[in-house]
Amino acid sequence: EVQLLESGGGLVQPGGSLRLSCAASGFTFSGYAMSWVRQAPGKGLEWVSAISGSGGSTYYADSVKGRFTISRDNSKNTLYLQMNSLRAEDTAVYYCARCSSWYPAGSIDYWGQGTLVTVSS
Amino acid sequence: EIVLTQSPGTLSLSPGERATLSCRASQSVSSNYLAWYQQKPGQAPRLLIFGASSRATGIPDRFSGSGSGTDFTLTISRLEPEDFAVYYCQQYGGSSYTFGQGTKLEIK
Repeated sequence: EVQLLESGGGLVQPGGSLRLSCAASGFTFSGYAMSWVRQAPGKGLEWVSAISGSGGSTYYADSVKGRFTISRDNSKNTLYLQMNSLRAEDTAVYYCARCSSWYPAGSIDYWGQGTLVTVSS
Repeated sequence: EIVLTQSPGTLSLSPGERATLSCRASQSVSSNYLAWYQQKPGQAPRLLIFGASSRATGIPDRFSGSGSGTDFTLTISRLEPEDFAVYYCQQYGGSSYTFGQGTKLEIK
C-alpha cells in the first residue's frame, strides 16, 4: 500500500524558513517523480514543485522559484521541501504527492494527508 | 502557462441524476496529460481519471472522462451520495502542472 507521510509544518514568521519532509513507503521510491502541491485555506489546488525519480531534474512554480528547493534522498525514501523567505501567501496545507511516472508528467496518483504551514507574525 | 477554466463553479443536483463538469484549456493540452481529481472536505485529493479518459484504480464506472484539445468533460452517470465533493481538472505541460479552480458538486 502506497503511503506518504508529511511532517515539518507549523507556524513561522514572515521571512522565516521551514523544511517539510515526506516519508514514502509501499513502492519503489526512486522509480517515481514526486511533487509538492499546496492548498491555501478555502482555496483550490496549486502545484508547487516536482522532482524526477533520480533527483537530477527539478521544477518550480513561478510563485516559489528562488525561494523553495525540492530534493529527495532515495536511500531514505524521503522527499523534502526547503522553504525560505516565507510570505503570508505561502500559508497552506502542503501535500506530498507521487507522480505517475519516473519523470514529472501526466497525473498525480497518490497524495499524502498534508501538513499545514502558517506564515504569520 | 496553460490556464484551465472549470465550469460551472457550483453544480446543484440530486442523487441519481447525471453530472457533467467542464474543463477548458487556454491552449491545446495533450490528452495524455489531462487528469481529474475529487476532493472531499478535510481530505486529500483522489485521482479519478488520467489520460483524459482512463479511470484510476478502484474508481467506479459511473465516472467517465472525455475530450481532447482544449475541451474536456468529466461525467458522473448517476450520482451517489458520496459523489458530492469538489472536482479539479489538471494538466501537465511545459515542465509544470496546472489545476483548474474547481467545481463544487452539491446536493440539491
